[in-house]
Amino acid sequence: DSGVTQTPKHLITATGQRVTLRCSPRSGDLSVYWYQQSLDQGLQFLIQYYNGEERAKGNILERFSAQQFPDLHSELNLSSLELGDSALYFCASSRTPRASEQFFGPGTRLTVL
Amino acid sequence: AQRVTQPEKLLSVFKGAPVELKCNYSYSGSPELFWYVQYSRQRLQLLLRHISRESIKGFTADLNKGETSFHLKKPFAQEEDSAMYYCALLYNNDMRFGAGTRLTVKP
Repeated sequence: DSGVTQTPKHLITATGQRVTLRCSPRSGDLSVYWYQQSLDQGLQFLIQYYNGEERAKGNILERFSAQQFPDLHSELNLSSLELGDSALYFCASSRTPRASEQFFGPGTRLTVL
Repeated sequence: AQRVTQPEKLLSVFKGAPVELKCNYSYSGSPELFWYVQYSRQRLQLLLRHISRESIKGFTADLNKGETSFHLKKPFAQEEDSAMYYCALLYNNDMRFGAGTRLTVKP
């Protein structure tokens, strides 16, 4: 599959814990975006990286951080987890920095108990 | 603030009936608007964008700057159109999504 991939598919953890979500962009794509989809907040943009550098920031909490590695995969780190962090986390990628050209991954479902 | 409003959480129509999914936006500049679709158990995918003025799977959307709307329309709905539809506004490379409308097309 040459599309955007995300691991794990599902993650169940407890409050106060820390997790890392991983995203591999489509082959040739340099930009990665992270989104959070929750029942009460809908789909919200968190952060964007382009070729290893942070490009744009949305509604990302200070407890959350991300990075993009030299091989262009990205990781989203969520710490001091709260019940309200339970959501579907999507990654998207695009060849250019333009969000209008992004393709989405299947998402990681995080459940915080 | 730049935002997208989809007033209907749920919309149900019969197969063959026309369907319109509403989207209103607030943005003072020239908006760049999109419709995304998410079929059951599948990833979010781009359906169409207003710039290209295209028709995908029979869906069209016209930007009405006077009414600040970008409604999605299809003259004859099909069962396979049942999905979650999101309207989105691109602002400073931040894709702002509406809350989504779940469309159910009944046989």
